[in-house]
Amino acid sequence: GEDVEQSLFLSVREGDSSVINCTYTDSSSTYLYWYKQEPGAGLQLLTYIFSNMDMKQDQRLTVLLNKKDKHLSLRIADTQTGDSAIYFCAEAMYSGGGADGLTFGKGTHLIIQP
Amino acid sequence: NAGVTQTPKFRVLKTGQSMTLLCAQDMNHEYMYWYRQDPGMGLRLIHYSVGEGTTAKGEVPDGYNVSRLKKQNFLLGLESAAPSQTSVYFCASSPPNTGELFFGEGSRLTVL
Repeated sequence: GEDVEQSLFLSVREGDSSVINCTYTDSSSTYLYWYKQEPGAGLQLLTYIFSNMDMKQDQRLTVLLNKKDKHLSLRIADTQTGDSAIYFCAEAMYSGGGADGLTFGKGTHLIIQP
Repeated sequence: NAGVTQTPKFRVLKTGQSMTLLCAQDMNHEYMYWYRQDPGMGLRLIHYSVGEGTTAKGEVPDGYNVSRLKKQNFLLGLESAAPSQTSVYFCASSPPNTGELFFGEGSRLTVL
């Protein structure tokens, strides 16, 4: 079965780096995603990584994938107050069409301290 | 840029009442989804559709029905609402075989 695990809260000081971790169980996952949910809004795709990659960098965001340990992380450099949100890890498999969408973790609340 | 629009945004129901949530997307996406979000539970897939006229069950389909009569619309129905269906409901759409889902802003439903 599919299961995606994340810690529920992370508190960091403004200007520091935030590292949000995620573990998944299905080794056949082809893509792994990070979504961001701001208060009162729907989820928005932040970034994704294909399973044959180890790392992906996009401006302040760095995604690291350890396939052996089934561990995914999202690093946000120079964390700002606007980064305060819930971050969801999600995995997708596309065998047989993949129409049933993504399996999401429960989300990590990122709290920014001044 | 409308994207994915959900109506209504808020609704309060009494136990046993029925209602329909409407989702509309203007991106010509094939796939559409209904999720519910509950504290400590993350997002759980209720039903989804891979195209006009097709629907399928997700992880938590009981108590809900859906219809996709037009490609741009995906309706979620509650025939007899229960307090356990108090939740925030999110509709999403995507092109085929991609994990890039586009979400609506959510519909907050309270069942008393």
